[in-house]
Amino acid sequence: NAGVTQTPKFQVLKTGQSMTLQCAQDMNHEYMSWYRQDPGMGLRLIHYSVGAGITDQGEVPNGYNVSRSTTEDFPLRLLSAAPSQTSVYFCASSYSNSGTGGSPLHFGNGTRLTVT
Amino acid sequence: SQQGEEDPQALSIQEGENATMNCSYKTSINNLQWYRQNSGRGLVHLILIRSNEREKHSGRLRVTLDTSKKSSSLLITASRAADTASYFCATDNQAGTALIFGKGTTLSVSS
Repeated sequence: NAGVTQTPKFQVLKTGQSMTLQCAQDMNHEYMSWYRQDPGMGLRLIHYSVGAGITDQGEVPNGYNVSRSTTEDFPLRLLSAAPSQTSVYFCASSYSNSGTGGSPLHFGNGTRLTVT
Repeated sequence: SQQGEEDPQALSIQEGENATMNCSYKTSINNLQWYRQNSGRGLVHLILIRSNEREKHSGRLRVTLDTSKKSSSLLITASRAADTASYFCATDNQAGTALIFGKGTTLSVSS
């Protein structure tokens, strides 16, 4: 099992560019989520999904878009990159289909994004 | 919004010593989880303790939960250099749809 796979590992964007961060899991987990991690801020939830076709906003959703067409994939789209979106982005999944439900989250190794 | 807050922010110890990290949270919980993050890597789940449990062990890890004080502690016994990492506590949000993380404790274990 590969677990949770994130691509790319590193990305540099210019202000205004768009891109998609990819996340795939091979554990047949219903729940998937995106966090961003910034120094001194901890992890903040961007978007989450409790199953294919179902997504919802987290704490900091502005500037980001998600979709969940399959159980395996949960891409995160930056619509028009801004320097404030410079961060490390983590995708995570768990088997529960009712949110986290006390289930451990499995994390990918992150995408380090710099917006200039 | 932040639910859990870890204390201390940073901790430096020698190999063989015990490390204790604390987590305080604001609202009632069903369970609390602890995660470790090595530099440049994703978070790894360590242990989950439910609200009706007071203590849980996993290898050299011991977690306690005091729901009356809304606090939890993570004890790592006989620390090793490989334990150097950041440690986070996390609780479910009230809707049970997401994990809310604290800002973490950075542990440095020197040999």
